[in-house]
Order: sequence, then structure tokens, then C-alpha cells
Amino acid sequence: DVKVTQSSRYLVKRTGEKVFLECVQDMDHENMFWYRQDPGLGLRLIYFSYDVKMKEKGDIPEGYSVSREKKERFSLILESASTNQTSMYLCASSSPSSASSYEQYFGPGTRLTVT
Amino acid sequence: SQKIEQNSEALNIQEGKTATLTCNYTNYSPAYLQWYRQDPGRGPVFLLLIRENEKEKRKERLKVTFDTTLKQSLFHITASQPADSATYLCALVRGNTGKLIFGQGTTLQVKP
Repeated sequence: DVKVTQSSRYLVKRTGEKVFLECVQDMDHENMFWYRQDPGLGLRLIYFSYDVKMKEKGDIPEGYSVSREKKERFSLILESASTNQTSMYLCASSSPSSASSYEQYFGPGTRLTVT
Repeated sequence: SQKIEQNSEALNIQEGKTATLTCNYTNYSPAYLQWYRQDPGRGPVFLLLIRENEKEKRKERLKVTFDTTLKQSLFHITASQPADSATYLCALVRGNTGKLIFGQGTTLQVKP
């Protein structure tokens, strides 16, 4: 059974704190993604990684950075958390091959509240 | 810019009826379109993919159509059940990068 896990389901942090969200997948996928999901705005891509140490900005990268030191692990970093980063954060992985239909497998999400 | 629109209003239907959800897109010609299901507090789960050269795709009680002229996909659930209640997201595949653009989702409520 394929699996994407995220380090926390719920997280509460203070403004200005550095926040790390961890994601691990066990499917040997090359592609990994970080999204945030907000009511009325849907899922928006923050960052994308297509290989170890490779990353690409998504649609809303400001205020975030990422790290991919190992194939199975993709970390999202909020350098200095702000209240407008309160959101649900979702990690996903996929195989890069079109034969896979580009199906993305999602983790359960981390609901982050910044106070 | 590329845009995907799904009906933001919730869809309420009676058990046993067919639910039809709409996904419209602009400024793009995707080769693939996907549909996901998302339950409250959980990540989306992939349901179906349809390619640009396919008019229709079926999987059990699910049917997806793809009209590249109208730039629209329809998602049907036949013989709907209360367990089908969830939010359904459509997503376009951006080129061959594997990146997706998601719609906002439509919440379906099936009443017994």
C-alpha cells in the first residue's frame, strides 16, 4: 500500500518562528510537491522537486523554502512564520512518467496555525 | 493565465440519483485532466484521468467526459450513495512536467 506521511497533523506556531514540515514517501517517486489549501482558493503549488537536491518554485513560493536531501523526503520550511501562512499544507508525490498518468499521491495534511 | 473553474456551490442530491459536476478551463490546452476526491481533513485521492483524445472514461459508477472544444470536463456519479459525499477536485496536467493546476472543488452531499 503506497504511502505519503507528514510529520504532524496539527501544528501551532508563533509569528516569527522557523517552521519545518516534513514529508516522506515510500514509493520511490522522483517528483514531490508541497501545496497549501485555503477555503475558496483551492490547492496552490508552493514548491516542486523532480529529483534529489533539485527544486522549482511553484505558484506561491514567497515566504517558503524547501529541502530535498534524500529521494524519499521533502521538507517545507517557513523561515519566519506569519499569520497569513495559517493554512492546510499538503505534500504529494508522483512518478514523472506519463505512463503513470501523473497521478499524485497525497499525505494527510498538516493544519498549521500561526498566532 | 491558466484558470480552472468548478461550481463553488455545494451540490445536494438524493440517494440513487446521478450527480454531475462540471470543470471548465481557460487559456490552456491540457493533454490530460484528472479528478480527485477529498474527504474533510484528508488529502485528495486520485480517481480518474482522461486524455485529450478520449471523449469518455468510465470506472465502476464514475464517468468522465472531456470536451476540448468547449474546454470542459463533466464528472458523473451514477446511483449515488451517501458515502459518495465529499469534495471533488478537477486538475489539469501542465505539459509533461507532472505539475497540476487544481480547481477549487465542488462539495457533493448525497442525502439518504
